Amino acid sequence: KNQVEQSPQSLIILEGKNCTLQCNYTVSPFSNLRWYKQDTGRGPVSLTIMTFSENTKSNGRYTATLDADTKQSSLHITASQLSDSASYICVVSGGSGGSYIPTFGRGTSLIVHP
Amino acid sequence: DSGVTQTPKHLITATGQRVTLRCSPRSGDLSVYWYQQSLDQGLQFLIQYYNGEERAKGNILERFSAQQFPDLHSELNLSSLELGDSALYFCASTPHQGGGSSYNEQFFGPGTRLTVL
Repeated sequence: KNQVEQSPQSLIILEGKNCTLQCNYTVSPFSNLRWYKQDTGRGPVSLTIMTFSENTKSNGRYTATLDADTKQSSLHITASQLSDSASYICVVSGGSGGSYIPTFGRGTSLIVHP
Repeated sequence: DSGVTQTPKHLITATGQRVTLRCSPRSGDLSVYWYQQSLDQGLQFLIQYYNGEERAKGNILERFSAQQFPDLHSELNLSSLELGDSALYFCASTPHQGGGSSYNEQFFGPGTRLTVL
């Protein structure tokens, strides 16, 4: 069964600090992995997407890594800001030819305190 | 603002009833996806339409159905509602060029919050 596990479930950090969120998956065959940011009560917004051949992708202060061998990904947030407080969701899509069968993690809830 | 619109924003109904959620994709996007997000399940992919045709199906219940119309807006119909159907329902769309591939960035609407009493 395809699964995406995220850790930690929740995280509290001080403004300006860095943090790393983890994602482990068992989706097969693998097509791509995406990280989303979801503010409370709003739709998710895509941060990064990586295919099998990519092992790192950056979007401003967000850097995602992918190890397709161990089926692990991480999202590193640098110099956190109050606006980074949100849920971060890892989504892995599987299937041949880039077909769309996504499996979602339950997300990591990040709170950034001043 | 993603450019995807969803109506209504909130919906409160009783068990056994039927409701219709509406989604208008971004201008030019041919693919529409529906998701359910409940507190204990996280986001669940329901179904995808591309240019009027069903493209992929997730864990969508038989009580639920969807369609995409010629003007590309989509509707999600939920019938025989149960308490457990209470959730946020999102739709998302992807750019035309992608043909509905999972690689293309999806733009999510603001969601419809359904409460079944």
